[in-house]
Amino acid sequence: DTGVSQDPRHKITKRGQNVTFRCDPISEHNRLYWYRQTLGQGPEFLTYFQNEAQLEKSRLLSDRFSAERPKGSFSTLEIQRTEQGDSAMYLCASSPWTGGGQTEAFFGQGTRLTVV
Amino acid sequence: DQQVKQNSPSLSVQEGRISILNCDYTNSMFDYFLWYKKYPAEGPTFLISISSIKDKNEDGRFTVFLNKSAKHLSLHIVPSQPGDSAVYFCAASASRSGYALNFGKGTSLLVTP
Repeated sequence: DTGVSQDPRHKITKRGQNVTFRCDPISEHNRLYWYRQTLGQGPEFLTYFQNEAQLEKSRLLSDRFSAERPKGSFSTLEIQRTEQGDSAMYLCASSPWTGGGQTEAFFGQGTRLTVV
Repeated sequence: DQQVKQNSPSLSVQEGRISILNCDYTNSMFDYFLWYKKYPAEGPTFLISISSIKDKNEDGRFTVFLNKSAKHLSLHIVPSQPGDSAVYFCAASASRSGYALNFGKGTSLLVTP
């Protein structure tokens, strides 16, 4: 399978703990995006990378959130001191970028986070 | 603020008939529009897209129409099939913001036999 892969699929954590999610994009895609989806809402943009550079961060991404893509391949999203409001589906997507315009983003299956 | 709006939370259509899903947007900088389909506990799956330089794009049973002056787009599915039952998300992006997607809240489509 050469699609976007996310790990873990599910995570239950106690409030105050730190969690880290991993995303492996489609190998030839140089753009990687993180989104968050809560019940009854569409996915909300968090941040994106072009290769290893983090180019944009949403105001939704508080100081407790940090994302990295150290070698321009896989990415990690860390949430420190989790709160119940962080409970959501965290989605990763990737797309190719050739400078010639937009192409569709391909999503992984997501990581479901539950903070208890 | 919600820049992409899907005002119909749900839609029920009989098999074989046309399904029309609607979407409105407010940001005139959006220049690329997409529809995604989502099943429970899965990530969104890309369906069809359209650039702002076009007003129609077709792919098999799926057609997307864009009316830029009205800031409105629609997805037509003809003929509808029970396997089309899912939540459909409209998304829009702008080149100046790295093509980050702005999603609507989704429309749940049910196609009945």
